[in-house]
This record gives sequence, C-alpha cells and structure tokens, in this order.
Amino acid sequence: DTGVSQNPRHKITKRGQNVTFRCDPISEHNRLYWYRQTLGQGPEFLTYFQNEAQLEKSRLLSDRFSAERPKGSFSTLEIQRTEQGDSAMYLCASSLSGGQSTDTQYFGPGTRLTVL
Amino acid sequence: AQKITQTQPGMFVQEKEAVTLDCTYDTSDPSYGLFWYKQPSSGEMIFLIYQGSYDQQNATEGRYSLNFQKARKSANLVISASQLGDSAMYFCAMREGIYGGSQGNLIFGKGTKLSVKP
Repeated sequence: DTGVSQNPRHKITKRGQNVTFRCDPISEHNRLYWYRQTLGQGPEFLTYFQNEAQLEKSRLLSDRFSAERPKGSFSTLEIQRTEQGDSAMYLCASSLSGGQSTDTQYFGPGTRLTVL
Repeated sequence: AQKITQTQPGMFVQEKEAVTLDCTYDTSDPSYGLFWYKQPSSGEMIFLIYQGSYDQQNATEGRYSLNFQKARKSANLVISASQLGDSAMYFCAMREGIYGGSQGNLIFGKGTKLSVKP
C-alpha cells in the first residue's frame, strides 16, 4: 500500500495526558498537512510542512499542540495536557507541489482521539 | 475571506440515477482550485475531482463531473448512474493561490450526506 498511513487509528486517553500521532505520507510527496475534524463538520486546517520546514500554522494550533517532520518524511503531531475539546478525528494528508502539479492532497485514514 | 458553502445537509437518490451536490465558494483570489472529496463511514477522505480556476473545460473523472460556473462561483458535483457504494459524506474544498505561491491549506464546506436507495 503506497497511500498515506496514520497510527494509531484510535486513541483513548484521560484528560491531562499527552498523546502523539504519526503520519507517513506518500513517499515522493514533499508537502504534509494536518487537519482536525469534529462531528458534523468538514476538516479544519492545523499546519503544514514543505519537506522538513513547517510553513504555516492555524490559530487552532494552540501552544499545547506541536508538530514535527524531522527528516522531511514522516510527521508527528503531539498534544500535551489533553482536554475533552481535543476529541476529534485528526487527518493527515500529503501532496506533491511544484511545476505543473495541481498539489492535490491525498488523505490518510485518520486517528480518532477520545479524551475522557 | 475564503468560504465554502454546501447548503444540502442530506440528499437521497435512487440507484442508477444521477445526482447533483451543490457547492458555492467565495474568494477574491483569481487563482484557486476546487476539489471534491468523498468520506465513507470509515473516515478516510477520498479525492474525487479537481477544477482549476483557469481551466476552460469542466472536469470529469469517470462517473464524476464538476459543473463549474465561475461567474456564479459555483462548483457542483454531478454523480451519474449512482451506486450503493456512493453513499457517503461529500465535501467541497478550495485552495487559493493554486498557480504558484500556494499557501497549501484547503478550506472545506460542512459536507452533504448522500444516501443511495436500492
């Protein structure tokens, strides 16, 4: 399977705990995105990387959230001191930008976080 | 400000019939791209079709076509010959600056839940 993969698929945690999610993009893609989706809504942008550089962060990404893409390949999203409001589906996407590319984003299956 | 509006929370269609899902958008950037994604109950967002703001022809991909009316700022998805497997949430999305200088992130609508009846 050469699509975007995410781990874990489901995470249940207690309020105040830290959690970390991993995303492995399509191998030749240089851009990687994180989105959050709550029930009944479309995905909302959190942040994105071009290679290893984090180029943009949404105001939704509070200080408790941090994302890395250390070698321009996989990425991690960490949430510290989780709150019940963090419960959501976290989606990762990747794309190939540049040249004639349409920069279409391809999504992974998501990580569903439940904070008790 | 960028905005995507999908006014149909839910739609029903009979198997083998065509259905149109509405999407209107708002942007001041002349260079943008419009995307449709399908999200089955499993949760994964599946890319369906893309339309660039400067594309002269409406995009088509198999049973999917995009009815792009630039002056009206609408980008409706048409699914022909509906199948039971088409039952899912459908999201319209937009990205500005599609031709160079793209900021990258997509703006999504709230989605339309399509149910295909046998």
